[in-house]
Amino acid sequence: AQSVTQLGSHVSVSEGALVLLRCNYSSSVPPYLFWYVQYPNQGLQLLLKYTSAATLVKGINGFEAEFKKSETSFHLTKPSAHMSDAAEYFCAVSADTGGFKTIFGAGTRLFVKA
Amino acid sequence: DAGVIQSPRHEVTEMGQEVTLRCKPISGHDYLFWYRQTMMRGLELLIYFNNNVPIDDSGMPEDRFSAKMPNASFSTLKIQPSEPRDSAVYFCASSLDGGAPYNEQFFGPGTRLTVL
Repeated sequence: AQSVTQLGSHVSVSEGALVLLRCNYSSSVPPYLFWYVQYPNQGLQLLLKYTSAATLVKGINGFEAEFKKSETSFHLTKPSAHMSDAAEYFCAVSADTGGFKTIFGAGTRLFVKA
Repeated sequence: DAGVIQSPRHEVTEMGQEVTLRCKPISGHDYLFWYRQTMMRGLELLIYFNNNVPIDDSGMPEDRFSAKMPNASFSTLKIQPSEPRDSAVYFCASSLDGGAPYNEQFFGPGTRLTVL
């Protein structure tokens, strides 16, 4: 079975500061990991995904995430926050277990202060 | 492509009434998912279909909820009778390519349901 834990339901940063959103996963088989973003009154959209090709994954809007197997982590970072990054971010895990179910974390709401 | 289309975008109804939410997935996608999002429980998978066949409905909260996918381009989620605790945002999502767990899901804009 897979699970994912996002540390911190709310994160606040100043514009231009580093963004770090934390995600830890649990999986009995090699996982596939995702970060999705949800802007107000919209559905989720994919930021980036890890599929075992490279441990450092670059996504849209300057975000990237690093898969660390030893730490079972997949933290999301962005060097410099922009006001438009304010949104809710979801970490998700999936695996080839014969079914097709993606497990989403509880989400982290990012606030960006001017 | 227009993306995943959901209707209505907002629904307000009274307790006991039947509610039907609709979804049109992206053309060619063979997986369709229904999720519910609330502040208390986050994003929950209710049911998913593969090639119009329900595969896993273990997330459906109770018998008041039912979902159908009569063809590849249309799905419904029905609640009968509705209760105030069903108030949530319901998302439909679709995915391509036969069950590969690394494929992303494309979400619709959601239906915000309020049951009074």
